[in-house]
Amino acid sequence: EAGVTQFPSHSVIEKGQTVTLRCDPISGHDNLYWYRRVMGKEIKFLLHFVKESKQDESGMPNNRFLAERTGGTYSTLKVQPAELEDSGVYFCASSQDWGQIYEQYFGPGTRLTVT
Amino acid sequence: RKEVEQDPGPFNVPEGATVAFNCTYSNSASQSFFWYRQDCRKEPKLLMSVYSSGNEDGRFTAQLNRASQYISLLIRDSKLSDSATYLCVVTGSGSARQLTFGSGTQLTVLP
Repeated sequence: EAGVTQFPSHSVIEKGQTVTLRCDPISGHDNLYWYRRVMGKEIKFLLHFVKESKQDESGMPNNRFLAERTGGTYSTLKVQPAELEDSGVYFCASSQDWGQIYEQYFGPGTRLTVT
Repeated sequence: RKEVEQDPGPFNVPEGATVAFNCTYSNSASQSFFWYRQDCRKEPKLLMSVYSSGNEDGRFTAQLNRASQYISLLIRDSKLSDSATYLCVVTGSGSARQLTFGSGTQLTVLP
């Protein structure tokens, strides 16, 4: 079974530019999550999709970040315009619920550098 | 105060040693608990879920004490391949699925 995949693996952009990250969850997983880790900090939650609906977007830092999951399959996370503090590793995770257990499986991440 | 607190280490232990990691969490309504491991510049990989009754998976044993809001991970007969950062992770209350991560404990197993 293929795991969570993310594209690109690395992205270097200048401040003010736009970047779009993509995540393909494990096939059949309804739940998709975005997290990020900025330098020296813990991994932090950004948002949670159930199928195509945003279930929880309480972790999104500001309106420069836009996440979509059209059709309930893959998801994109767009940062526009990018700022220096957006640099970090963006992880995507997916899960399928089994009763009270919802183990999340992570993709390899996209390392974003804003210069 | 951080929501999930871990001793950052590093823990440097010889092969074959037993090592224990501890973690405390602040949200008493947290529903689910996990240990993840993360290798350098890689994604977190689920090591094991932690159940109220405690659970074991080979050389790994996890314990949960809800009253003390404390989670532990014991690794027996440590291997070189166990070298990694171990992340204590909890979910929110109710239907919240977001994971809250500790900062991780770094383990190096020495030959």
